[in-house]
Amino acid sequence: GENVEQHPSTLSVQEGDSAVIKCTYSDSASNYFPWYKQELGKRPQLIIDIRSNVGEKKDQRIAVTLNKTAKHFSLHITETQPEDSAVYFCAASTAGGTSYGKLTFGQGTILTVHP
Amino acid sequence: DGGITQSPKYLFRKEGQNVTLSCEQNLNHDAMYWYRQDPGQGLRLIYYSQIVNDFQKGDIAEGYSVSREKKESFPLTVTSAQKNPTAFYLCASSFYRDSEAFFGQGTRLTVV
Repeated sequence: GENVEQHPSTLSVQEGDSAVIKCTYSDSASNYFPWYKQELGKRPQLIIDIRSNVGEKKDQRIAVTLNKTAKHFSLHITETQPEDSAVYFCAASTAGGTSYGKLTFGQGTILTVHP
Repeated sequence: DGGITQSPKYLFRKEGQNVTLSCEQNLNHDAMYWYRQDPGQGLRLIYYSQIVNDFQKGDIAEGYSVSREKKESFPLTVTSAQKNPTAFYLCASSFYRDSEAFFGQGTRLTVV
């Protein structure tokens, strides 16, 4: 089955710096890669996603890149702000085979942005 | 907020008892998921369902059971066979397999 590894587990940056979180996946059948943000005490919410036919996607200060050959994808946050502090999860959704429709998450990254 | 509702928010269970967590959605989503969240371990998939009357085991299904008799509902039963059930449980739903998943507010289960 699919296995998603996420690094780093914790990330501390100064306000205004960039933050990068990386994930690798194991199942070449995966074709959808969302990123979720979970603030303390709240439910995870989608911040950006990318599909396997696209290499990069950007939404204001957030961008995601995908390298299908290497089976890894990354989240990039520029000009970080204290309100970006949260836990970030990557995930992969499998398109076919016995794991059809399975949405697997990484272990999460605790991002802290210091003012 | 709204659209997918989990109840109760907090649940206490005695050892040896089964307990059922409720998950209801009015988003007309086909797919539904149950995850367990423990500190430092991210979201681990327990069960998932793509259509009514069909569901698949996730990575940590042992000690859990589900049903999908209605499109709107995907209850999770934590059985006495689950050795370490104390955790935060999240339910999610999506239109189809590769679209945004919406999460419920979660149920925190504590075994006493």
